[in-house]
Amino acid sequence: SQTIHQWPATLVQPVGSPLSLECTVEGTSNPNLYWYRQAAGRGLQLLFYSVGIGQISSEVPQNLSASRPQDRQFILSSKKLLLSDSGFYLCAWTIRVRTEAFFGQGTRLTVV
Amino acid sequence: DQQVKQNSPSLSVQEGRISILNCDYTNSMFDYFLWYKKYPAEGPTFLISISSIKDKNEDGRFTVFLNKSAKHLSLHIVPSQPGDSAVYFCAASRDSNYQLIWGAGTKLIIKP
Repeated sequence: SQTIHQWPATLVQPVGSPLSLECTVEGTSNPNLYWYRQAAGRGLQLLFYSVGIGQISSEVPQNLSASRPQDRQFILSSKKLLLSDSGFYLCAWTIRVRTEAFFGQGTRLTVV
Repeated sequence: DQQVKQNSPSLSVQEGRISILNCDYTNSMFDYFLWYKKYPAEGPTFLISISSIKDKNEDGRFTVFLNKSAKHLSLHIVPSQPGDSAVYFCAASRDSNYQLIWGAGTKLIIKP
């Protein structure tokens, strides 16, 4: 069966520090991968998606970047965190476009 | 511009009764709709979906209704159980587009 791992679960980082969140998927090949952010009281905002290794599409211009070094690995990064980067970050995958997405457990990021 | 709206931030329902969660959308190009359930500090889990060629889809206690002319969909949970207490998100997509557009969520509280 397919599983998705996302870590860490919680993270407290100072302003200006770098960020690296990692997501891996098991049990499937060539998934579509996504990074979402949920701000307090708001819906999920798509940040990045990837349909293959090295292929990254950005939906929202911001302080973050994403990379897909391997088929089932998706990394969310920042060189210098801002206070506004605080939120709940979720990694997800789909096997095809327009099918249901399966989410990781999420990372609660607090920038202080 | 919020294309998918869940106008009720919260809803309280007695155990055993019907829970009705509502979602409105503005983009007539949306043709695929999904409902997700989310517990605190976890990723959303897929519940049920509906294509625009249908007006109803049922899965156990969960039924989704779609009214295209009103650009409205609803999720019915019958009977409501304590484990149904969670935040429910509706999401919509259009063909040839990877992005799901999410509502802000409705917190459902099932009272014993």
